[in-house]
Amino acid sequence: GNSVTQMEGPVTLSEEAFLTINCTYTATGYPSLFWYVQYPGEGLQLLLKATKADDKGSNKGFEATYRKETTSFHLEKGSVQVSDSAVYFCASTNSGGYQKVTFGTGTKLQVIP
Amino acid sequence: GAVVSQHPSRVICKSGTSVKIECRSLDFQATTMFWYRQFPKQSLMLMATSNEGSKATYEQGVEKDKFLINHASLTLSTLTVTSAHPEDSSFYICSAPESSGNTIYFGEGSWLTVV
Repeated sequence: GNSVTQMEGPVTLSEEAFLTINCTYTATGYPSLFWYVQYPGEGLQLLLKATKADDKGSNKGFEATYRKETTSFHLEKGSVQVSDSAVYFCASTNSGGYQKVTFGTGTKLQVIP
Repeated sequence: GAVVSQHPSRVICKSGTSVKIECRSLDFQATTMFWYRQFPKQSLMLMATSNEGSKATYEQGVEKDKFLINHASLTLSTLTVTSAHPEDSSFYICSAPESSGNTIYFGEGSWLTVV
């Protein structure tokens, strides 16, 4: 089955710093890849997604590129804000459909002023 | 657009009682829904696959008699935590793939606290 590995947190950055959260996956076939964000005390929100190799997902200044050759989907943002403080989950779905989602362990990001 | 609604968002119950969480697909039909659980400071783990009109499929290690899943219609799946204990306190969230298979939607999640 699929698996997702993401860097452990917590990650603490100063406001306006550059963010990278690494994520790699294992899967048979061609999974779709996602980043979800969970703000404190809230549910899960889809941040961005990519459905095929070399696709770049982007939203709210965050970006991630589906790299098949390195089986990676690293999340980046050029300048983080305090409001970006949250837990970020990398995830994949099984090839061929949007069914079960496999999540990484989550990375807590704390941005300090 | 299509969304998945989950209710209640937060619930507190006493030990030994049962609590039901609803997951509804709005604007689309979902023959399959998924239930996940998030332990404190951990990731979300798939608990079970809810199948409309048939029994749910549980992941290994999930007690089917404790976590009752009913998918009685194409827009509603329910998770009932029976005889709840404090260790059942967790964040439960459902998801439903849209019928076209192109998009998967998550509910807002439900925070359960058992006291």
